[in-house]
Amino acid sequence: GNSVTQMEGPVTLSEEAFLTINCTYTATGYPSLFWYVQYPGEGLQLLLKATKADDKGSNKGFEATYRKETTSFHLEKGSVQVSDSAVYFCALSVTSGSRLTFGEGTQLTVNP
Amino acid sequence: AAGVIQSPRHLIKEKRETATLKCYPIPRHDTVYWYQQGPGQDPQFLISFYEKMQSDKGSIPDRFSAQQFSDYHSELNMSSLELGDSALYFCASSLVFSGANVLTFGAGSRLTVL
Repeated sequence: GNSVTQMEGPVTLSEEAFLTINCTYTATGYPSLFWYVQYPGEGLQLLLKATKADDKGSNKGFEATYRKETTSFHLEKGSVQVSDSAVYFCALSVTSGSRLTFGEGTQLTVNP
Repeated sequence: AAGVIQSPRHLIKEKRETATLKCYPIPRHDTVYWYQQGPGQDPQFLISFYEKMQSDKGSIPDRFSAQQFSDYHSELNMSSLELGDSALYFCASSLVFSGANVLTFGAGSRLTVL
């Protein structure tokens, strides 16, 4: 079946530090890949997406590149801010109209 | 821009009671999804509807049912509630032929079962 694995455990960084959250996937075919962010008490918001191999999704300083050879979609940001503190979910969808399958989520805390 | 609207935002029920959650998708979106998110968990897919027909089914308990109406809004009905049903319930909508399958989520309905 389809699955998404994210790096374990919460991540705590100081402001302006470099962020990487690892995400790997298993899927049949060629899925679309997503990063969603959930701020405390809120719903899930799309952060960025990539639909084919070597695509780079980017938004608000965050980036992720669809790597088919390593089945990965790692999230990066060069300089995090306190306002980036949230839970980040990696997700995949195998076809248009199909369900999103989520990873376990990674809690990011950025300290001033 | 219009978003996905869920109601109620908060709901408190007793064990064995029934609850109904409502979802109003983004206008012209043709697919609605329901997810359940327990505390500290990732969202788990329950069920989806495409053009008012059930299109996919996930880990939805038999005590739960859902449907999509002619105006495209959807309702999730939960009966014989158990303590373990306490969770955030998200509705999402998408437009199938818009390219990448981008789901737009509502703010969620928080169900507490006492």
